Amino acid sequence: GENVEQHPSTLSVQEGDSAVIKCTYSDSASNYFPWYKQELGKRPQLIIDIRSNVGEKKDQRIAVTLNKTAKHFSLHITETQPEDSAVYFCAASRAQAGTALIFGKGTTLSVSS
Amino acid sequence: GAGVSQSPSNKVTEKGKDVELRCDPISGHTALYWYRQSLGQGLEFLIYFQGNSAPDKSGLPSDRFSAERTGGSVSTLTIQRTQQEDSAVYLCASSLAAGETQYFGPGTRLLVL
Repeated sequence: GENVEQHPSTLSVQEGDSAVIKCTYSDSASNYFPWYKQELGKRPQLIIDIRSNVGEKKDQRIAVTLNKTAKHFSLHITETQPEDSAVYFCAASRAQAGTALIFGKGTTLSVSS
Repeated sequence: GAGVSQSPSNKVTEKGKDVELRCDPISGHTALYWYRQSLGQGLEFLIYFQGNSAPDKSGLPSDRFSAERTGGSVSTLTIQRTQQEDSAVYLCASSLAAGETQYFGPGTRLLVL
């Protein structure tokens, strides 16, 4: 089955810096890769996702890149703000097959002002 | 519209007792997922329902865990003879169809004493 590894487990940056979180996956048939943000005590919220037919997707300060050959994908947050502080989870699934998401173990991002 | 709802929000039980956790998905969503999140950990897939198809139970950790989805809408996750290691937040998610964005409920925080 699918296995998703996520690094780093914790990341501390200064406000305004960029943050990068990386994930690798094992199932070459996975084709859907969402990123979720979870604030303390809250539910996970989708912030961006990418499908395997594209290599990069951007939404304002957030971008995701996908390298299918290497089976890894990354989340990039630019101009970080204190409200970006949260736990971020990557996930992978075979969308057409309707398989459940397999999540990484999360990255705790702390943005200090 | 209303998001995914779960009840109860918190549940404290004694070891050996049975518990039932409820999930109300977003109206019209055909896919429903249960995940478990232990303290400081990622999200562990438990079970997945898609329409009238047989559920994917591959993530259930033991035969003490079961789930059903009645009428293609509400789902109940049942844990029999609870153990202390069952303590976690149980999250439900739904999506419009297989492979579409999953929206999470607020979770049920289960504590087994």
